[in-house]
Amino acid sequence: SQKIEQNSEALNIQEGKTATLTCNYTNYSPAYLQWYRQDPGRGPVFLLLIRENEKEKRKERLKVTFDTTLKQSLFHITASQPADSATYLCALDPSGGYQKVTFGTGTKLQVIP
Amino acid sequence: NAGVTQTPKFRVLKTGQSMTLLCAQDMNHEYMYWYRQDPGMGLRLIHYSVGEGTTAKGEVPDGYNVSRLKKQNFLLGLESAAPSQTSVYFCASNPRSGAGNTIYFGEGSWLTVV
Repeated sequence: SQKIEQNSEALNIQEGKTATLTCNYTNYSPAYLQWYRQDPGRGPVFLLLIRENEKEKRKERLKVTFDTTLKQSLFHITASQPADSATYLCALDPSGGYQKVTFGTGTKLQVIP
Repeated sequence: NAGVTQTPKFRVLKTGQSMTLLCAQDMNHEYMYWYRQDPGMGLRLIHYSVGEGTTAKGEVPDGYNVSRLKKQNFLLGLESAAPSQTSVYFCASNPRSGAGNTIYFGEGSWLTVV
């Protein structure tokens, strides 16, 4: 069965360092991979989408890589700030329609001042 | 600009009671969705709609019904609530199908069934 794995343990990182979160998947061939931010008690907020034929995508301090051979995406936040503390979800989309998107359980990031 | 608004935000139900969650979006989006989020599990799609007057089942539709009588509103109903339906419910919308268009989530509705 399709499976998305995100590290369930919280990631603690010092302010100013680069945070790297991992999303692994099995039995899946997504055409698109998305990353979301979710703050406690709030709904997810869409951050980035990367297509299967794209290796890397950047948006301000965010960088996402997508390796379809390794079946893995890495999400980087450079020069991390305490305001970046949140849970980050990855989601896999086989076809470009949200009705088929599968969400991961998320990894909690804590940036320590 | 309110975006996606869900009401109520919190509700406690007794087993067997019924209730309706309301989702309203002011972005003129065609597509709307209802998800539930449980500890240790990712967001799971309950029902969705691709336009006014249409609805379709998602991954976990049992025990829920939906209606989209107006384009801006998407209602999620629980006819006979069960403790297994204790969860956080999120409504979302996006303008059309296809990758690259942003999906917008509401703030969530916390439902406890006792």
